[in-house]
Order: sequence, then structure tokens, then C-alpha cells
Amino acid sequence: GQQLNQSPQSMFIQEGEDVSMNCTSSSIFNTWLWYKQDPGEGPVLLIALYKAGELTSNGRLTAQFGITRKDSFLNISASIPSDVGIYFCAGPRYGGSQGNLIFGKGTKLSVKP
Amino acid sequence: GAVVSQHPSRVICKSGTSVKIECRSLDFQATTMFWYRQFPKKSLMLMATSNEGSKATYEQGVEKDKFLINHASLTLSTLTVTSAHPEDSSFYICSALTGGEAFFGQGTRLTVV
Repeated sequence: GQQLNQSPQSMFIQEGEDVSMNCTSSSIFNTWLWYKQDPGEGPVLLIALYKAGELTSNGRLTAQFGITRKDSFLNISASIPSDVGIYFCAGPRYGGSQGNLIFGKGTKLSVKP
Repeated sequence: GAVVSQHPSRVICKSGTSVKIECRSLDFQATTMFWYRQFPKKSLMLMATSNEGSKATYEQGVEKDKFLINHASLTLSTLTVTSAHPEDSSFYICSALTGGEAFFGQGTRLTVV
């Protein structure tokens, strides 16, 4: 079945550093989504990507939809303590809607002030 | 963005009892809502799709008699965990679509003792 392989599993960085995480799949996705989840909360959408090759920014966050449609990355520049959390990539299963999402296993980000 | 609210945010129940979790779309109507489950330090897994006015659609391996879903109105879906056991302890999260985008509730932490 469809799977999203997300890496790294966790990151420990110093405040001010840049962060990069990525997601790959053996199958094609028509949409790539990046979410952040704080402890005890539901995921919040950070960036949505809809076209192969698309590069989209949201403040200090930048994400790209890979040309092959099988991968995506998320960059966070100049990290701050509130960036701490778990970041998930996700995509609609079998090309369906965003209601039926498959998630990566998450990247846990820790930021040292 | 649109708001999806879950209640309760935390619940502790005894083994053998049933627990109801509510998911409400506060500022939009949702004919379809989605229920996910998240184990500690794991990713979100879709359990079922809740359809207003009709039966829910369950993912493979999810017991429909164990996890009862009712979507009685365009703004409310409920998930009832029946005869709960400690292995049902988990974080349950709902989502609803509007404008093609999925919005997640804040989650419900269920602990069965």
C-alpha cells in the first residue's frame, strides 16, 4: 500500500539554525501537505502543495513538491523556540480528497535557546 | 481558517464502559468528517469516514461495532468507543473538509484504566 517515508525522525538544533526535513514515497501524490502538531493538539496545516515543482513559502517555512511527485521537503529558516513540535508530511490516499490522508511518521523538532 | 472542535479534550474511563467523543464544525457545514487515531509517538491513522445521514465507512481492521460513529447533523459527528479496554487508550482526532482543505480538531486523549 501507499507509504510516506519521512526523515529525519528527530532533530535537535540550536535556535537560529535552519532545518530541513523530507518525505518520499514509492507512489505518486497529487498533493503534498505539511502539518505541525504541538503536544496534545491536533495537526495544523503549514503548507499545501498542488503542482509538481511548486515551491511555496509561509513566513520562515518553505516547501517544495518534487518534480517526480514522489517527494517533498520542508525547510524552516532561522528556527525559534516555538518551532518545537512534530512535523508531518501527508498526502491524499489514492489521489482522493484531503479527508482521507496518509501521514508520514513525523519529524520531532527540538530547539535549544 | 475554519474551526473544528472536539469534546472532551481528555477523558479517563474504566474498562468495560463506553465513551463518546464529539466533533463539531463550528463555522461551516460538513457532510463528511474523518476520525483518526494516533498512538504515542506515532503517526495518525484514518479509522473511518463519517457520512451525514448514512453509515460510516470503516478502514480495514477497524471494528465498526467497537467504534460507533454517528453523523446526525451537518456540524456534528460522534465517535463512541464501546466496552473500552486499556488497548483503546489513544489520541483520537477528527477532521472535516471545507473548501477542499481538511481542518483538524484539537484531539481527545482517551485513557482506559
